[in-house]
Amino acid sequence: GENVEQHPSTLSVQEGDSAVIKCTYSDSASNYFPWYKQELGKRPQLIIDIRSNVGEKKDQRIAVTLNKTAKHFSLHITETQPEDSAVYFCAASESQAGTALIFGKGTTLSVSS
Amino acid sequence: GAVVSQHPSWVICKSGTSVKIECRSLDFQATTMFWYRQFPKQSLMLMATSNEGSKATYEQGVEKDKFLINHASLTLSTLTVTSAHPEDSSFYICSARGDRVYEQYFGPGTRLTVT
Repeated sequence: GENVEQHPSTLSVQEGDSAVIKCTYSDSASNYFPWYKQELGKRPQLIIDIRSNVGEKKDQRIAVTLNKTAKHFSLHITETQPEDSAVYFCAASESQAGTALIFGKGTTLSVSS
Repeated sequence: GAVVSQHPSWVICKSGTSVKIECRSLDFQATTMFWYRQFPKQSLMLMATSNEGSKATYEQGVEKDKFLINHASLTLSTLTVTSAHPEDSSFYICSARGDRVYEQYFGPGTRLTVT
């Protein structure tokens, strides 16, 4: 089955700096790679996702890159703000309806002002 | 976007009792629903996958006789934690996939505390 590794487990940056979180996956059949932000006691919130037919996707301050050959994908947050502080999870799955998302272990991002 | 609800949002029960958690897709038909468990400061761990009208598929290490899953309709799946013990205390989150097969929609989660 799929296995997703995520690094780093914690990340501290100054406000305005960039933050990068990296994930690797094991199953070459995976073709959907979402990123979630989770606040304490809440459900995961999708912030951006990428499918295997593209290498990069950007949404304002957030971008995700995908390297299918190397089986890794990364989340890039620019101009970080204190409200970006949260736990971020990467995940991977196939696109078939019956396939669950498998999550990385998470990264706790702290943005200090 | 698609909405998934969960009930209850939190529950406290005594050791040895059973607890049922409901997961509903409110505005779409969920062909598949997933149940995850999340312990404090940990990731979401997949427990089982359920398809409407068929038996759930459990992940390795998850006791199917302890965590009973029923997916009786395209909008409702239930998870029953039987003979709960303190170590079952956790945050249980369901998710659902519908016609847009890429995205999964998550419920708000249920905080279970077993005393």
